[in-house]
Amino acid sequence: GPKVLQIPSHQIIDMGQMVTLNCDPVSNHLYFYWYKQILGQQMEFLVNFYNGKVMEKSKLFKDQFSVERPDGSYFTLKIQPTALEDSAVYFCASSLARNNQAPLFGEGTRLSVL
Amino acid sequence: GDSVTQTEGQVALSEEDFLTIHCNYSASGYPTLFWYVQYPGEGPQLLFRASRDKEKGSSRGFEATYDKGTTSFHLRKASVQESDSAVYYCALSGGSNAKLTFGKGTKLSVKS
Repeated sequence: GPKVLQIPSHQIIDMGQMVTLNCDPVSNHLYFYWYKQILGQQMEFLVNFYNGKVMEKSKLFKDQFSVERPDGSYFTLKIQPTALEDSAVYFCASSLARNNQAPLFGEGTRLSVL
Repeated sequence: GDSVTQTEGQVALSEEDFLTIHCNYSASGYPTLFWYVQYPGEGPQLLFRASRDKEKGSSRGFEATYDKGTTSFHLRKASVQESDSAVYYCALSGGSNAKLTFGKGTKLSVKS
């Protein structure tokens, strides 16, 4: 079946550096999401994105965060600069439509900020 | 804003036991409700969804019924197996921004 791919699966960086997390969504999907999960805790909404624009973002989506999907390529989450509290697993999801369509999730990128 | 409450943080059962995980929601309008399951090292996978009052969703022996009166969507399974051990999330989506809001999750452990 269709899959959301996330690259890389694990990223280790030093605090203060920039990191870009990549997501390859399902090809005909229109809505894109990022979620953050600290080990053993709940899925926390960061942002969703449609038609080239952020639809909604949470208070966890700090000024250091940005998202884009240039020309239908990867949907990316950039953090610049990173902080220790950014260490978590970041999940990307995509869906064809909103609300009654269940977003399909990738397997996550584990980000470790040292 | 929208919210989802899962009462049980952890549930420990033996094989063939009956499972109930409680989920209550708060949202304006008529949200779509979901149950997702997450295995270690993986992303959440959809179990099933329901979009209207009294609609029952089901998959792999799990089921839940959308109850607008009690704002609930409790997950049930008649006979659990060890392979059902995972974290289960209740979630909702509603409003104009397509945001999916998760509950805190319930870790199910089933011993043989």
